[in-house]
Amino acid sequence: DAGITQSPRHKVTETGTPVTLRCHQTENHRYMYWYRQDPGHGLRLIHYSYGVKDTDKGEVSDGYSVSRSKTEDFLLTLESATSSQTSVYFCAISDEGTGELFFGEGSRLTVL
Amino acid sequence: SQQGEEDPQALSIQEGENATMNCSYKTSINNLQWYRQNSGRGLVHLILIRSNEREKHSGRLRVTLDTSKKSSSLLITASRAADTASYFCAYSGAGSYQLTFGKGTKLSVIP
Repeated sequence: DAGITQSPRHKVTETGTPVTLRCHQTENHRYMYWYRQDPGHGLRLIHYSYGVKDTDKGEVSDGYSVSRSKTEDFLLTLESATSSQTSVYFCAISDEGTGELFFGEGSRLTVL
Repeated sequence: SQQGEEDPQALSIQEGENATMNCSYKTSINNLQWYRQNSGRGLVHLILIRSNEREKHSGRLRVTLDTSKKSSSLLITASRAADTASYFCAYSGAGSYQLTFGKGTKLSVIP
């Protein structure tokens, strides 16, 4: 298994609170991604990173920010969580930009 | 949205039968990939086919790609109960670092 861990794995929070999800990799891969998975929508890209401090927006980036200060860590922040952000969030890594992705086990977030 | 579409959304077959899933997309692509997701788990990469390839095999998996029709198919031969999972296609456009995923096909293999 690829060395990729997400934390927390489960979180329940209230509307309006800030939330940070962490993705940590031990593979030294250049590319890191955050996706959300919702019924009827499949996986949708939120943000991705192609190097330390190099990030870009994906399809559904509104309400989310990311940071990558080290190769191994990619943080996803919800500044003020809303119920529409209730979802399962997956981090993925890749050695090549459009090559095989390795996924974490997911973080289930519930916003009440 | 440039999101791809899988067809069918759900498929139920008997063990030993073949399962075919289709994926359609809307853009020119670099490559197309198939992933599998067991319930409650992350996605696992199955196979990648490049835009200049038409067919690829890996064990019991066979993938075809028709760029003129912007479509791909995944065939799982001699299915097993352990193949029960959701299957997703994903593709990247020219010059893009992003993979766009389809909505998935949920496969149930009945023992």
